[in-house]
Amino acid sequence: DVKVTQSSRYLVKRTGEKVFLECVQDMDHENMFWYRQDPGLGLRLIYFSYDVKMKEKGDIPEGYSVSREKKERFSLILESASTNQTSMYLCASSNRLDYNEQFFGPGTRLTVL
Amino acid sequence: GQNIDQPTEMTATEGAIVQINCTYQTSGFNGLFWYQQHAGEAPTFLSYNVLDGLEEKGRFSSFLSRSKGYSYLLLKELQMKDSASYLCAVVDSNYQLIWGAGTKLIIKP
Repeated sequence: DVKVTQSSRYLVKRTGEKVFLECVQDMDHENMFWYRQDPGLGLRLIYFSYDVKMKEKGDIPEGYSVSREKKERFSLILESASTNQTSMYLCASSNRLDYNEQFFGPGTRLTVL
Repeated sequence: GQNIDQPTEMTATEGAIVQINCTYQTSGFNGLFWYQQHAGEAPTFLSYNVLDGLEEKGRFSSFLSRSKGYSYLLLKELQMKDSASYLCAVVDSNYQLIWGAGTKLIIKP
């Protein structure tokens, strides 16, 4: 079974703090993705990566950065957290882009006060 | 722009059949996924359609009409555990998934 894990299920941070969200997958997938999910909106892509040290901006990259130093690990960084970044963050991985079935982690619910 | 439309919420009765519709307008089309997401959990894969027609998998079926930009997910013999959100996602010309907001399905006894 593909397993995608995320470092925290729940996180509470203060405005201005630097926040790290970690994601690890154990199936040797090439592609990894970070989304945020907000009520009434679809999943919105923040960043994705096709390979180690590679990153591409998604639809809403502002205020975020990412790091992929190892194939299995994809980190999302909020340089200076703001209240409008309170959301559910979902990490996903996939093996092929031409058939982009994505496997998701359990999510991190981040609250920024 | 790219747009995926699904009903926000639907209610059905245990044992019945429900159809959840999804219409889309995207830049290119390379397939359509349906995912199930229980409250507080990760989305999980249900089905994938790339050609027109019906794909059946147990109690769940998914239909696609590319010319109409339309898909539906059909759930038969509804069970209480089917209460969840159902997400429609279209693979665009860049092979990225464009997600609908999801349909919350409530099953009543």
